[in-house]
Amino acid sequence: DTEVTQTPKHLVMGMTNKKSLKCEQHMGHRAMYWYKQKAKKPPELMFVYSYEKLSINESVPSRFSPECPNSSLLNLHLHALQPEDSALYLCASSQPPRNEQFFGPGTRLTVL
Amino acid sequence: DQQVKQNSPSLSVQEGRISILNCDYTNSMFDYFLWYKKYPAEGPTFLISISSIKDKNEDGRFTVFLNKSAKHLSLHIVPSQPGDSAVYFCAASQLYSGTYKYIFGTGTRLKVLA
Repeated sequence: DTEVTQTPKHLVMGMTNKKSLKCEQHMGHRAMYWYKQKAKKPPELMFVYSYEKLSINESVPSRFSPECPNSSLLNLHLHALQPEDSALYLCASSQPPRNEQFFGPGTRLTVL
Repeated sequence: DQQVKQNSPSLSVQEGRISILNCDYTNSMFDYFLWYKKYPAEGPTFLISISSIKDKNEDGRFTVFLNKSAKHLSLHIVPSQPGDSAVYFCAASQLYSGTYKYIFGTGTRLKVLA
């Protein structure tokens, strides 16, 4: 199984809502990543978990809260988002020291 | 400050010919470089990587060349096929706090014409 799954595929939320994005992989990878991608832009790193511990936070606003409940799951909790947070949110995993990342299909988020 | 740049936003190539996608970087501390392909509504798919201590890596139709002195890498696809039409991202990785951190270029849209 070389798949990273993400749910939901699409999400529309208001600025006062609380929602969560979910990412799952069963490849035994010990590093998991959240990226944000705006239209016609490259993926931008948000968070990295290594062995279930947060190792990198790229100065992401606190309205985004990551969580890694176990080695297969990665969540991104969303609260009080702004319309400019609308984007494709990508999850990826990798197994250090190998370098290639496996990406999920993404969640298309729209904030109204 | 864009540390990884792909200066050609798009490229069109005839089927069967060679596609050459270019990428420049500014940070000499990057230790690996990777190429990803992305179709619409899908996540990026890993294609090929190269360590900063090598100058060439080949995998089937895909070859990546690294010129460290010029801080430049390129992906060659030969022969190009219509199914190769996608957006290609170059990425660079750097070890940071014991974890790899990746920075992506802006992407090049490749169109292979039948």
